[in-house]
Amino acid sequence: DTGVSQDPRHKITKRGQNVTFRCDPISEHNRLYWYRQTLGQGPEFLTYFQNEAQLEKSRLLSDRFSAERPKGSFSTLEIQRTEQGDSAMYLCASSLAPSGRVAYEQYFGPGTRLTVT
Amino acid sequence: DQQVKQNSPSLSVQEGRISILNCDYTNSMFDYFLWYKKYPAEGPTFLISISSIKDKNEDGRFTVFLNKSAKHLSLHIVPSQPGDSAVYFCAASGGSQGNLIFGKGTKLSVKP
Repeated sequence: DTGVSQDPRHKITKRGQNVTFRCDPISEHNRLYWYRQTLGQGPEFLTYFQNEAQLEKSRLLSDRFSAERPKGSFSTLEIQRTEQGDSAMYLCASSLAPSGRVAYEQYFGPGTRLTVT
Repeated sequence: DQQVKQNSPSLSVQEGRISILNCDYTNSMFDYFLWYKKYPAEGPTFLISISSIKDKNEDGRFTVFLNKSAKHLSLHIVPSQPGDSAVYFCAASGGSQGNLIFGKGTKLSVKP
């Protein structure tokens, strides 16, 4: 399977605990995006990477959230001191942006569903 | 302030007929529009897209129409099939970062 993969698919945690999610993009894709989706809403942009550089962060990404893409391949999203409001589906997407151009088509993984109790 | 709006939460269509899903946007800087389909417990799947320099793009049973003056786009599915039953999201983008702004989705049910 050469699509975007995410791990774990489901995570249940207690309020105050830290959680980390992993995303493996399509191998040749240089851009990687994180989105969050809550019930009845569309996905909302959190942050994105061009290779290993984190280039944009949404105001939705509070100080408790941190994302990395250490070697320009897989990415991790960590949430510290989780709150019940963090319960959502966390989606990862990747795209291939040729030099000097924007690639709009993004390919999504299956998501990680986080439940904070 | 919702920049991409899908005002119909749901749509029910008979198999074989046309499905028309609508989307409105407010930001005139958007220059690319996409439709995604989402089944339960899966991530969104890219369906079709259109650049703002075009007014129509067709791919098999799927056609997207863009009316820039009205800031409106629509997705036509002809003929509709039961397997098309899913939530459809309209998304828009503008600027170099390429992040997508999504609507809230329309749940399409195609009845046999």
